[in-house]
Amino acid sequence: EAQVTQNPRYLITVTGKKLTVTCSQNMNHEYMSWYRQDPGLGLRQIYYSMNVEVTDKGDVPEGYKVSRKEKRNFPLILESPSPNQTSLYFCASSPGQGKSSPLHFGNGTRLTVT
Amino acid sequence: GENVEQHPSTLSVQEGDSAVIKCTYSDSASNYFPWYKQELGKGPQLIIDIRSNVGEKKDQRIAVTLNKTAKHFSLHITETQPEDSAVYFCAASGSARQLTFGSGTQLTVLP
Repeated sequence: EAQVTQNPRYLITVTGKKLTVTCSQNMNHEYMSWYRQDPGLGLRQIYYSMNVEVTDKGDVPEGYKVSRKEKRNFPLILESPSPNQTSLYFCASSPGQGKSSPLHFGNGTRLTVT
Repeated sequence: GENVEQHPSTLSVQEGDSAVIKCTYSDSASNYFPWYKQELGKGPQLIIDIRSNVGEKKDQRIAVTLNKTAKHFSLHITETQPEDSAVYFCAASGSARQLTFGSGTQLTVLP
């Protein structure tokens, strides 16, 4: 089944403790992206990747890192999480370049930072 | 950059009635306008999209209309059913490199 898989689905952590949220897609998509969803703010892009070893900042990149060493994986790294990063996170992939092609989303990771 | 405004933020309709969600955008260079549906506990899923060379597109009970002059586009759902209850997001491509999403509409279909 074609899908985008995120792990974990739920994560509770403390301020400053480094964490990684994994994302993997099995559709051979070149484009991958991370979003955060907050009430009343919709989906805001954190980082995106047009291809292996090519990453770029989205609208809200502060406090996040990403890497794209393989085509299928695009982990999101929070080196020193803070409470304002408590949110619902989504990974997405696309067969095109993301801007004008359908996005395939994972089922989300709900992160709570205390 | 692109700015997308979505209204209303919540919408309740009786089963069988129609629902309309509207979005406006600011960047005249936008040429791709998708709509996503997010069910509880899941990620958004594309339900319909439209490109700027088309004024309207239909897929069974769902339709999207685009008015490029006024810079707005709308999602129309006819004969609503309980399974249509979800959060709906519009988006626009803009001249920047990535999509900009609206803030979402919680649609509730009352039995």
